[in-house]
Amino acid sequence: DGGITQSPKYLFRKEGQNVTLSCEQNLNHDAMYWYRQDPGQGLRLIYYSQIVNDFQKGDIAEGYSVSREKKESFPLTVTSAQKNPTAFYLCASSIPGGNNEQFFGPGTRLTVL
Amino acid sequence: AQSVTQLDSQVPVFEEAPVELRCNYSSSVSVYLFWYVQYPNQGLQLLLKYLSGSTLVKGINGFEAEFNKSQTSFHLRKPSVHISDTAEYFCAVSDVAVGDDKIIFGKGTRLHILP
Repeated sequence: DGGITQSPKYLFRKEGQNVTLSCEQNLNHDAMYWYRQDPGQGLRLIYYSQIVNDFQKGDIAEGYSVSREKKESFPLTVTSAQKNPTAFYLCASSIPGGNNEQFFGPGTRLTVL
Repeated sequence: AQSVTQLDSQVPVFEEAPVELRCNYSSSVSVYLFWYVQYPNQGLQLLLKYLSGSTLVKGINGFEAEFNKSQTSFHLRKPSVHISDTAEYFCAVSDVAVGDDKIIFGKGTRLHILP
């Protein structure tokens, strides 16, 4: 089945540690996105990538980094510079030039202790 | 800049009653419009989308939405809700302009179904 996988589902880290969240898709989509979700805040865009080896900052990129070495993969690193990293993180993908519909993974809940 | 306003953060409704979740957007260009649903601790799932054509759009699980260009609204409706509709619902907008694939999401409306 085609889809987007995110791992792990739940992640716990100590303050000051970097952590990498995985996002893999087998939909053959060129574009991929990372969102952060906090209660009552909706989805806020962290980074997005429209093609391999290229990515752009979203609205809240500070304290995060990404890479896009393969079409299928778009990992997100939450660095120690992110002041409030505890949140639900969602990865999505879409077909550029289509109707902009995005397909979402199941999410990773990160808790920093 | 685009923005999406979901007028109600929470909507309680009795089971089998009708419901309307309101959404207004601001954009000076042609847009695509979406409603997504999120069940607890899950990702978002597309309910329906408006791309062009008929202003009444039907989606999954008995939901429908009406695009009103003059009022810049895209309200979501269901004639009779079920307990399984308990979830958070997100309205979203995206420019039709070529090269801009980003979607702007509203802050969500939490639907509570009362027995």
